[in-house]
Amino acid sequence: AQSVTQLGSHVSVSEGALVLLRCNYSSSVPPYLFWYVQYPNQGLQLLLKYTSAATLVKGINGFEAEFKKSETSFHLTKPSAHMSDAAEYFCAVSRRSNDYKLSFGAGTTVTVRA
Amino acid sequence: NAGVTQTPKFQVLKTGQSMTLQCAQDMNHEYMSWYRQDPGMGLRLIHYSVGAGITDQGEVPNGYNVSRSTTEDFPLRLLSAAPSQTSVYFCASPPPEGQGTAFYGYTFGSGTRLTVV
Repeated sequence: AQSVTQLGSHVSVSEGALVLLRCNYSSSVPPYLFWYVQYPNQGLQLLLKYTSAATLVKGINGFEAEFKKSETSFHLTKPSAHMSDAAEYFCAVSRRSNDYKLSFGAGTTVTVRA
Repeated sequence: NAGVTQTPKFQVLKTGQSMTLQCAQDMNHEYMSWYRQDPGMGLRLIHYSVGAGITDQGEVPNGYNVSRSTTEDFPLRLLSAAPSQTSVYFCASPPPEGQGTAFYGYTFGSGTRLTVV
């Protein structure tokens, strides 16, 4: 079974500062990894995904994440925060093959200070 | 646009009442799933289906029933609602580019916010 741990339930950053959201996973096999974003009162939207093509993955809205197998991590970063980045972010993991089940982390809420 | 449609968006139930949350997808994928979202707990899998006539339990199945008579529809039933079932419910299915051997995550419905009083 796989599980996902997101370090920090709340992150507060200044506008223009680096956004760093941490995600660690446990998996018996190399996984599929995802980051989703949820804006207030909305559904979840895919930010980016790792499916073994490249360890550094670029997503939408300037976000990127790096898969580090040795650290079992998939941290999400954005060099310069914008007010519109205020949202809740979820890391999720699935095994390879035809297992479509996703396990989600508890989520990290990002607030951006002007 | 291909996607997942959930109804209703909001619902208030009294304890003991029953209801069905509807979910329909037009992406023609065999896999569909229901999650509940609670503060500080992320999304937890309730039930999932790998095709018409095939369903299975997820992490938190108690109090919920599902069926899958067609590829498109995957309703979630609460037989006797309890306050602990107050939550936001999401239906999800892989998008068209996630067909075959690749898995590219889910397309989510917009959610159903359920309050049980």
